[in-house]
Amino acid sequence: QQQVKQSPQSLIVQKGGISIINCAYENTAFDYFPWYQQFPGKGPALLIAIRPDVSEKKEGRFTISFNKSAKQFSLHIMDSQPGDSATYFCAALSTGGGNKLTFGTGTQLKVEL
Amino acid sequence: DSGVTQTPKHLITATGQRVTLRCSPRSGDLSVYWYQQSLDQGLQFLIHYYNGEERAKGNILERFSAQQFPDLHSELNLSSLELGDSALYFCASSDGIRRSQETQYFGPGTRLLVL
Repeated sequence: QQQVKQSPQSLIVQKGGISIINCAYENTAFDYFPWYQQFPGKGPALLIAIRPDVSEKKEGRFTISFNKSAKQFSLHIMDSQPGDSATYFCAALSTGGGNKLTFGTGTQLKVEL
Repeated sequence: DSGVTQTPKHLITATGQRVTLRCSPRSGDLSVYWYQQSLDQGLQFLIHYYNGEERAKGNILERFSAQQFPDLHSELNLSSLELGDSALYFCASSDGIRRSQETQYFGPGTRLLVL
């Protein structure tokens, strides 16, 4: 059972544009929602994370929007740059459930010049 | 650099063999997690250790086992290897104490190829 659904599978954005990746979860016990960025041949790197008591978190060009009632959250990358081209994974975790991260299926982002 | 180290980077072996993957967590982190990344299954949680004790198990096969040693490094043992075990294996660590325990930092991974 896929507990975290992520879309789109791939995304092409022009330099300077906004990249938007969406995720939806099913398990209401999840209480921590990180986004990871992964470059080819590298491990996932934590980008930004949010807890369900806030609706939005911004760090530089990266913003998470969180809708608890809809059980959805999204990553917005403003002013997208070619260096942002990578695979992005949303994830969810229940701190009372062993701290295991449940990942979405990933989105391959390509930012074109 | 996350501060999590994994060895080896690459491993090529044959079906039926046994391998050991090693992970050293970030300095001060007590929790170690193992994940498997494959094309068909994505990133899947395998097992979590905290200060030497097993805390949670995910979709880990009985042929796989792990342990965390007193110096906090961890090993993932994969035995009776099958072609389908070919994947990237990641180790992650977190401090396991403060509220930020859920923040997991991933190592560079070990790429396993079973021929």
